[in-house]
Amino acid sequence: DAGVIQSPRHEVTEMGQEVTLRCKPISGHDYLFWYRQTMMRGLELLIYFNNNVPIDDSGMPEDRFSAKMPNASFSTLKIQPSEPRDSAVYFCASSSEVVGPYNEQFFGPGTRLTVL
Amino acid sequence: GQQLNQSPQSMFIQEGEDVSMNCTSSSIFNTWLWYKQDPGEGPVLLIALYKAGELTSNGRLTAQFGITRKDSFLNISASIPSDVGIYFCAGQRIDGGTSYGKLTFGQGTILTVHP
Repeated sequence: DAGVIQSPRHEVTEMGQEVTLRCKPISGHDYLFWYRQTMMRGLELLIYFNNNVPIDDSGMPEDRFSAKMPNASFSTLKIQPSEPRDSAVYFCASSSEVVGPYNEQFFGPGTRLTVL
Repeated sequence: GQQLNQSPQSMFIQEGEDVSMNCTSSSIFNTWLWYKQDPGEGPVLLIALYKAGELTSNGRLTAQFGITRKDSFLNISASIPSDVGIYFCAGQRIDGGTSYGKLTFGQGTILTVHP
């Protein structure tokens, strides 16, 4: 049973380049989340989708960041242009509609981004 | 964004010792969750609590949902080397009118267990 799939696992790029991170949620899940993890700020929610529609993007740092979900099985997080302060681990997580008292989010393995 | 206050930030213990960590918030949550993150992986859910005052165990793990719904603790008994990792608390609200609960994470507790 495949979990959340993210690619690439590691990305090293130079400042100013465009970076695209990819996520495949668990089949049947209708919520998808993008998080960023850094030592200084911990785990931060960037944006989440419900049924492919962005619901809350208040965590997106600035206009250089954009996220799309063209269909139920694929999402991208794009940074253009990238900056060294964007270096972090980016996680994608998915969940299904809450049917009980809590909503378990399943995390992917993350993409470690380094911007030189 | 808002974060929960999780402590301690790190712990260095000997194998066999018990561990305790906690989270506090100025806001009320409907649910408290505890996640563990292994090196190079994403967080994995350990325990979920959804009733104020609830005490739940999962093997060597015990967690409690505070009566005020603003805090939670996690205990690990008889630690073993594979307990190494980062432990996160997370609070969740189920907003009125929707069934979705947004997670707010603590800063994490880094646990190191010496054999």
